[in-house]
Amino acid sequence: DTEVTQTPKHLVMGMTNKKSLKCEQHMGHRAMYWYKQKAKKPPELMFVYSYEKLSINESVPSRFSPECPNSSLLNLHLHALQPEDSALYLCASSQVTGGDEQYFGPGTRLTVT
Amino acid sequence: DQQVKQNSPSLSVQEGRISILNCDYTNSMFDYFLWYKKYPAEGPTFLISISSIKDKNEDGRFTVFLNKSAKHLSLHIVPSQPGDSAVYFCAATQSPGNQFYFGTGTSLTVIP
Repeated sequence: DTEVTQTPKHLVMGMTNKKSLKCEQHMGHRAMYWYKQKAKKPPELMFVYSYEKLSINESVPSRFSPECPNSSLLNLHLHALQPEDSALYLCASSQVTGGDEQYFGPGTRLTVT
Repeated sequence: DQQVKQNSPSLSVQEGRISILNCDYTNSMFDYFLWYKKYPAEGPTFLISISSIKDKNEDGRFTVFLNKSAKHLSLHIVPSQPGDSAVYFCAATQSPGNQFYFGTGTSLTVIP
Protein backbone atom coordinates (compact mmCIF):
# COMPACT_ATOMS: atom_id res chain seq x y z
CA ASP A 1 0.00 0.00 0.00
CA THR A 2 1.74 3.17 -1.20
CA GLU A 3 -1.20 5.47 -0.76
CA VAL A 4 -1.86 8.53 1.32
CA THR A 5 -5.57 9.20 1.71
CA GLN A 6 -7.20 12.47 2.62
CA THR A 7 -10.76 13.30 3.60
CA PRO A 8 -12.82 15.16 2.70
CA LYS A 9 -11.99 15.88 -0.95
CA HIS A 10 -13.82 19.18 -0.86
CA LEU A 11 -14.84 21.36 2.05
CA VAL A 12 -16.75 24.61 2.17
CA MET A 13 -16.85 26.34 5.52
CA GLY A 14 -17.86 29.68 6.95
CA MET A 15 -15.49 31.85 8.92
CA THR A 16 -17.10 30.86 12.23
CA ASN A 17 -17.08 27.12 11.59
CA LYS A 18 -14.83 24.48 13.10
CA LYS A 19 -13.83 21.63 10.82
CA SER A 20 -11.05 19.04 10.53
CA LEU A 21 -9.05 17.61 7.67
CA LYS A 22 -7.88 14.02 7.95
CA CYS A 23 -4.92 12.18 6.47
CA GLU A 24 -3.98 8.53 6.72
CA GLN A 25 -1.09 6.35 5.52
CA HIS A 26 -0.23 2.71 6.15
CA MET A 27 3.28 2.62 4.75
CA GLY A 28 4.96 2.69 8.14
CA HIS A 29 6.23 6.19 7.49
CA ARG A 30 7.19 8.10 10.61
CA ALA A 31 7.22 11.62 9.13
CA MET A 32 4.01 13.34 8.06
CA TYR A 33 3.44 16.79 6.65
CA TRP A 34 0.80 19.39 5.93
CA TYR A 35 1.23 21.65 2.92
CA LYS A 36 -0.92 24.46 1.59
CA GLN A 37 -1.03 25.09 -2.12
CA LYS A 38 -2.56 28.07 -3.88
CA ALA A 39 -3.27 27.99 -7.59
CA LYS A 40 -0.17 28.12 -9.79
CA LYS A 41 2.12 28.15 -6.75
CA PRO A 42 4.36 25.45 -5.24
CA PRO A 43 3.24 23.62 -2.10
CA GLU A 44 4.09 25.61 1.04
CA LEU A 45 5.11 23.62 4.07
CA MET A 46 2.95 24.21 7.15
CA PHE A 47 3.81 21.48 9.67
CA VAL A 48 6.06 18.45 10.00
CA TYR A 49 5.49 15.60 12.44
CA SER A 50 8.31 13.21 13.14
CA TYR A 51 7.56 10.15 15.26
CA GLU A 52 4.22 11.71 16.15
CA LYS A 53 5.84 14.84 17.55
CA LEU A 54 5.59 18.25 15.96
CA SER A 55 9.07 19.05 14.67
CA ILE A 56 8.45 21.99 12.32
CA ASN A 57 5.81 24.71 12.46
CA GLU A 58 6.37 27.21 9.67
CA SER A 59 4.89 30.16 11.57
CA VAL A 60 1.38 29.04 10.75
CA PRO A 61 -1.47 31.05 12.36
CA SER A 62 -3.09 29.41 15.36
CA ARG A 63 -6.39 29.04 13.52
CA PHE A 64 -4.70 25.96 12.03
CA SER A 65 -4.06 23.29 14.66
CA PRO A 66 -2.36 20.02 13.70
CA GLU A 67 -2.72 16.76 15.56
CA CYS A 68 -1.02 13.39 15.13
CA PRO A 69 -3.04 10.82 17.15
CA ASN A 70 -0.83 7.93 16.00
CA SER A 71 1.80 7.09 13.44
CA SER A 72 -0.76 6.52 10.67
CA LEU A 73 -3.03 9.51 11.17
CA LEU A 74 -2.63 13.24 10.83
CA ASN A 75 -5.37 15.79 11.39
CA LEU A 76 -5.58 19.50 10.72
CA HIS A 77 -8.16 21.30 12.84
CA LEU A 78 -9.55 24.51 11.38
CA HIS A 79 -11.23 27.31 13.30
CA ALA A 80 -12.12 30.89 12.44
CA LEU A 81 -10.51 30.76 9.02
CA GLN A 82 -10.33 33.64 6.61
CA PRO A 83 -11.30 33.63 2.91
CA GLU A 84 -7.61 33.88 2.00
CA ASP A 85 -7.11 30.46 3.63
CA SER A 86 -8.98 28.92 0.71
CA ALA A 87 -6.50 26.56 -0.97
CA LEU A 88 -5.63 22.95 -1.64
CA TYR A 89 -4.34 21.33 1.56
CA LEU A 90 -1.97 18.48 0.92
CA CYS A 91 -0.83 15.79 3.30
CA ALA A 92 2.40 13.88 2.67
CA SER A 93 4.43 11.21 4.40
CA SER A 94 7.96 9.85 4.20
CA GLN A 95 10.41 7.62 5.97
CA VAL A 96 12.06 9.59 8.73
CA THR A 97 15.54 9.20 7.25
CA GLY A 98 16.48 12.32 5.40
CA GLY A 99 16.25 12.48 1.65
CA ASP A 100 13.41 10.06 1.14
CA GLU A 101 10.72 11.01 -1.27
CA GLN A 102 7.46 12.26 0.14
CA TYR A 103 4.26 10.59 -0.91
CA PHE A 104 1.40 13.03 -1.29
CA GLY A 105 -2.29 12.56 -0.80
CA PRO A 106 -4.79 13.93 -3.33
CA GLY A 107 -5.50 16.96 -1.17
CA THR A 108 -8.56 18.64 0.28
CA ARG A 109 -9.91 21.61 -1.66
CA LEU A 110 -10.96 24.09 1.01
CA THR A 111 -13.16 27.10 0.36
CA VAL A 112 -13.77 29.58 3.15
CA THR A 113 -16.83 31.78 2.63
CA ASP B 1 13.67 33.90 -0.57
CA GLN B 2 13.09 31.20 -3.17
CA GLN B 3 15.87 28.64 -2.77
CA VAL B 4 14.66 26.49 -5.64
CA LYS B 5 13.67 28.12 -8.88
CA GLN B 6 12.09 27.00 -12.10
CA ASN B 7 12.40 29.91 -14.47
CA SER B 8 10.16 28.55 -17.21
CA PRO B 9 6.53 28.63 -16.12
CA SER B 10 5.44 26.71 -19.19
CA LEU B 11 6.79 24.52 -21.98
CA SER B 12 5.17 23.05 -25.10
CA VAL B 13 6.67 20.07 -26.90
CA GLN B 14 5.57 17.91 -29.83
CA GLU B 15 4.72 14.31 -29.05
CA GLY B 16 7.73 12.04 -29.53
CA ARG B 17 10.25 14.82 -29.02
CA ILE B 18 12.36 15.50 -25.95
CA SER B 19 11.07 17.64 -23.07
CA ILE B 20 13.71 19.36 -20.96
CA LEU B 21 12.65 20.96 -17.71
CA ASN B 22 15.15 23.02 -15.75
CA CYS B 23 15.61 23.84 -12.11
CA ASP B 24 18.17 25.98 -10.26
CA TYR B 25 18.93 26.14 -6.58
CA THR B 26 20.89 28.48 -4.38
CA ASN B 27 21.64 26.46 -1.24
CA SER B 28 24.85 24.47 -1.68
CA MET B 29 23.90 22.33 1.33
CA PHE B 30 21.11 20.63 -0.64
CA ASP B 31 22.16 17.09 -1.41
CA TYR B 32 19.00 15.33 -2.57
CA PHE B 33 16.76 16.43 -5.40
CA LEU B 34 13.42 15.20 -6.62
CA TRP B 35 10.96 15.79 -9.42
CA TYR B 36 7.22 15.64 -8.87
CA LYS B 37 4.46 15.64 -11.43
CA LYS B 38 1.10 17.18 -10.64
CA TYR B 39 -2.21 16.95 -12.44
CA PRO B 40 -4.93 19.51 -11.66
CA ALA B 41 -6.87 18.79 -8.45
CA GLU B 42 -4.46 16.01 -7.47
CA GLY B 43 -1.52 15.81 -5.10
CA PRO B 44 2.03 15.77 -6.52
CA THR B 45 3.30 12.35 -7.58
CA PHE B 46 6.93 11.44 -7.07
CA LEU B 47 8.69 10.92 -10.40
CA ILE B 48 12.44 10.56 -9.98
CA SER B 49 15.20 11.63 -7.61
CA ILE B 50 18.95 12.08 -7.56
CA SER B 51 21.50 12.23 -4.80
CA SER B 52 24.34 14.74 -4.96
CA ILE B 53 26.88 11.91 -5.24
CA LYS B 54 25.55 11.23 -8.74
CA ASP B 55 25.24 13.40 -11.80
CA LYS B 56 22.65 11.33 -13.63
CA ASN B 57 19.77 9.04 -12.79
CA GLU B 58 17.59 7.31 -15.33
CA ASP B 59 14.22 5.63 -15.01
CA GLY B 60 12.57 4.61 -18.24
CA ARG B 61 11.74 7.69 -20.26
CA PHE B 62 12.83 10.02 -17.46
CA THR B 63 16.39 11.11 -16.79
CA VAL B 64 17.51 13.66 -14.23
CA PHE B 65 20.87 15.40 -14.60
CA LEU B 66 22.60 17.23 -11.77
CA ASN B 67 25.32 19.84 -12.21
CA LYS B 68 26.47 20.67 -8.70
CA SER B 69 28.96 23.35 -9.72
CA ALA B 70 26.22 25.22 -11.55
CA LYS B 71 23.58 24.35 -8.90
CA HIS B 72 21.36 23.19 -11.71
CA LEU B 73 19.31 20.12 -12.43
CA SER B 74 17.21 19.13 -15.37
CA LEU B 75 14.59 16.53 -16.18
CA HIS B 76 14.59 14.98 -19.63
CA ILE B 77 11.54 13.12 -20.91
CA VAL B 78 12.12 11.09 -24.05
CA PRO B 79 9.94 10.47 -25.94
CA SER B 80 7.32 12.88 -24.68
CA GLN B 81 3.74 11.64 -24.60
CA PRO B 82 0.46 13.56 -24.28
CA GLY B 83 -0.10 11.92 -20.87
CA ASP B 84 3.03 13.70 -19.66
CA SER B 85 1.15 17.01 -19.82
CA ALA B 86 1.14 18.24 -16.22
CA VAL B 87 2.90 20.66 -13.89
CA TYR B 88 6.37 19.51 -12.89
CA PHE B 89 7.91 20.63 -9.60
CA CYS B 90 11.50 20.14 -8.62
CA ALA B 91 12.29 19.88 -4.93
CA ALA B 92 15.46 19.88 -2.88
CA THR B 93 16.34 18.86 0.62
CA GLN B 94 19.33 18.65 2.90
CA SER B 95 19.85 15.21 4.36
CA PRO B 96 19.17 14.34 7.10
CA GLY B 97 16.01 16.28 7.38
CA ASN B 98 12.51 16.34 6.16
CA GLN B 99 11.94 19.83 4.85
CA PHE B 100 11.61 19.98 1.11
CA TYR B 101 11.93 23.18 -0.82
CA PHE B 102 9.82 23.24 -3.95
CA GLY B 103 10.32 25.20 -7.13
CA THR B 104 7.47 27.20 -8.62
CA GLY B 105 6.63 24.57 -11.22
CA THR B 106 6.73 24.26 -15.00
CA SER B 107 3.55 23.45 -16.88
CA LEU B 108 4.37 20.99 -19.65
CA THR B 109 2.05 20.54 -22.60
CA VAL B 110 2.77 17.70 -25.01
CA ILE B 111 1.04 18.31 -28.31
CA PRO B 112 -0.23 15.19 -30.12
